[in-house]
Amino acid sequence: DAGVIQSPRHEVTEMGQEVTLRCKPISGHDYLFWYRQTMMRGLELLIYFNNNVPIDDSGMPEDRFSAKMPNASFSTLKIQPSEPRDSAVYFCASRAALGGGTNTDTQYFGPGTRLTVL
Amino acid sequence: SQQGEEDPQALSIQEGENATMNCSYKTSINNLQWYRQNSGRGLVHLILIRSNEREKHSGRLRVTLDTSKKSSSLLITASRAADTASYFCATGGNDYKLSFGAGTTVTVRA
Repeated sequence: DAGVIQSPRHEVTEMGQEVTLRCKPISGHDYLFWYRQTMMRGLELLIYFNNNVPIDDSGMPEDRFSAKMPNASFSTLKIQPSEPRDSAVYFCASRAALGGGTNTDTQYFGPGTRLTVL
Repeated sequence: SQQGEEDPQALSIQEGENATMNCSYKTSINNLQWYRQNSGRGLVHLILIRSNEREKHSGRLRVTLDTSKKSSSLLITASRAADTASYFCATGGNDYKLSFGAGTTVTVRA
């Protein structure tokens, strides 16, 4: 299993530009989570999906942030327009559905995308 | 918002020694998990303990949970240089979300 795949690994952009982060969850996982990690705020949950449907987006900081999951194997997190305070490492994680026969409470994290907004 | 708080924030030990870190949380939980993060990498799940369990072992890891005190501890025995990382506790409820603490940075000196 390839694990959770994120792209790009690093992104440097200028303030005002649109940024799109991508995630491919582990095949068969029904839940997908987007987190943001900063030194000041630690690891924050932004939004999570179940069966491609957004369930809780209360962690999305502003309307500049949006996330989609068009199918079970792909999700995007978009920031438009980006600002320097959006600089952080963004992680995607997935987990199996209930009754999946595995430890369904465990989340599997991708390697993250380090975003720098100048 | 962060539910768990780890203590200490940083820990430096000699290779071969044991490392202990603690996690306290505020609200009732379904389970508590510990994750490791190496520098520049994603988080890796280490161990999960459910609210009706008191102690769990996995290799050199031992986790305890005291729901009356709303606290947990992670013990790494016979530490190795490869154990150098940040360790996070995460609490899980019935809503499938995890709430992470700020982490303990562990440095194992050779």
